[in-house]
Amino acid sequence: QVQLQESGPGLVKPSETLSLTCTVSGGSVSGYIWNWIRQPAGKGLEWIGRIYGSGKPEYNAPLMSRVTMSADTSKNQVSLSLSSVTAADTAVYFCAREPYDLPFDYWGQGALVTVSS
Amino acid sequence: EIILTQSPEFQSVTPKEEVTITCRASQSIGASIHWYQQKPGQSPKLLIYYTSKSFSGVPSRFSGNGFGTHFTLTINSLEVEDAATYYCHQSKYGPYTFGQGTKVEIK
Repeated sequence: QVQLQESGPGLVKPSETLSLTCTVSGGSVSGYIWNWIRQPAGKGLEWIGRIYGSGKPEYNAPLMSRVTMSADTSKNQVSLSLSSVTAADTAVYFCAREPYDLPFDYWGQGALVTVSS
Repeated sequence: EIILTQSPEFQSVTPKEEVTITCRASQSIGASIHWYQQKPGQSPKLLIYYTSKSFSGVPSRFSGNGFGTHFTLTINSLEVEDAATYYCHQSKYGPYTFGQGTKVEIK
């Protein structure tokens, strides 16, 4: 059974960098695409970007200047960094697996990140 | 960017009724529309992919249809456990986008 677990600080100060890790168990990072999606409280889903298991990233344009994603196949983890955060970045952040022939088939339970001083 | 517009945004339904949710795309995306169910405090779950294919373990009362710019998700004989918010999602063109969601409430 594939499981994804997001982890990282739940509170980040404005202008600092949000860092989250998604640890994959029951499956391999290699051979899949890994997506980050966020959801502000009471609102809809926003796609942040994705990274191939090989390490090639693709980012959503509005966030491109602030986002970095990486994949560590030795640890079976993918990571998200979002710099210069503001209150507008407060959200639940999900990682989700994307096989090449399917959309997002497995999701983590989500990590709430609050941006506040 | 492909804009996905769902309707209705909210629907209150009695058990055993049929529910149809519509998702319209701002331009043609072929069959590259997928549907997710999200319950409060949970992550979204994949129901239907590529318009009409049922994901593993999804009850047969969920079905999808459409092509191009107009898509529907139908729930036949709604059950109490189907109370949730439903999202469409397109993967035809980057960036990936989602509809704004349709909340289904049980009367």
